[in-house]
Amino acid sequence: DAGVIQSPRHEVTEMGQEVTLRCKPISGHNSLFWYRQTMMRGLELLIYFNNNVPIDDSGMPEDRFSAKMPNASFSTLKIQPSEPRDSAVYFCASSPGQGPDTQYFGPGTRLTVL
Amino acid sequence: TQLLEQSPQFLSIQEGENLTVYCNSSSVFSSLQWYRQEPGEGPVLLVTVVTGGEVKKLKRLTFQFGDARKDSSLHITAAQPGDTGLYLCAFSSGNTGKLIFGQGTTLQVKP
Repeated sequence: DAGVIQSPRHEVTEMGQEVTLRCKPISGHNSLFWYRQTMMRGLELLIYFNNNVPIDDSGMPEDRFSAKMPNASFSTLKIQPSEPRDSAVYFCASSPGQGPDTQYFGPGTRLTVL
Repeated sequence: TQLLEQSPQFLSIQEGENLTVYCNSSSVFSSLQWYRQEPGEGPVLLVTVVTGGEVKKLKRLTFQFGDARKDSSLHITAAQPGDTGLYLCAFSSGNTGKLIFGQGTTLQVKP
């Protein structure tokens, strides 16, 4: 059974470029989460969806970040324009239900903005 | 201000040693989770503790939830190189499934 799938695994881009990260959650899971991990700030929740609807986007750093979930099997996190301080590992996770539950993480996308 | 304080931040030990890492807060939690993250991968759930004073064992790992449900510890007996990784504690905010993570303890076990 496939876990959470993220693409690309690595992304190197130049400042000012648009970056799109993709996630396919585990089939049947109702909740999807986007996290960012850095050495300085640890693992931070950016946004999460329940049944494809954004529930809490208070962790999204600024307007340059946006996330969508057009259907139950796909989500994107977009950064436009990207900046060097956006360099981090971005994780997508999914969980079966709406309440406190095990979250299953993808392998992450390592983003480097030059 | 971190809601969850993990200590120590870094720990480097020899294979076979015992160790304990801690997760502390001034808040009371309905439940708390421990995850392990290996280099290049996402975190993986180890255990969820729910009841104050609860102790759970997972092979050589022993997890304890404080009586007041404000703190937790993870004890590893006879550490192995395969235990190397980042250990994260996390709690659920409200009843939403949203997790708040501590900064983590990076453990290195040398052969």
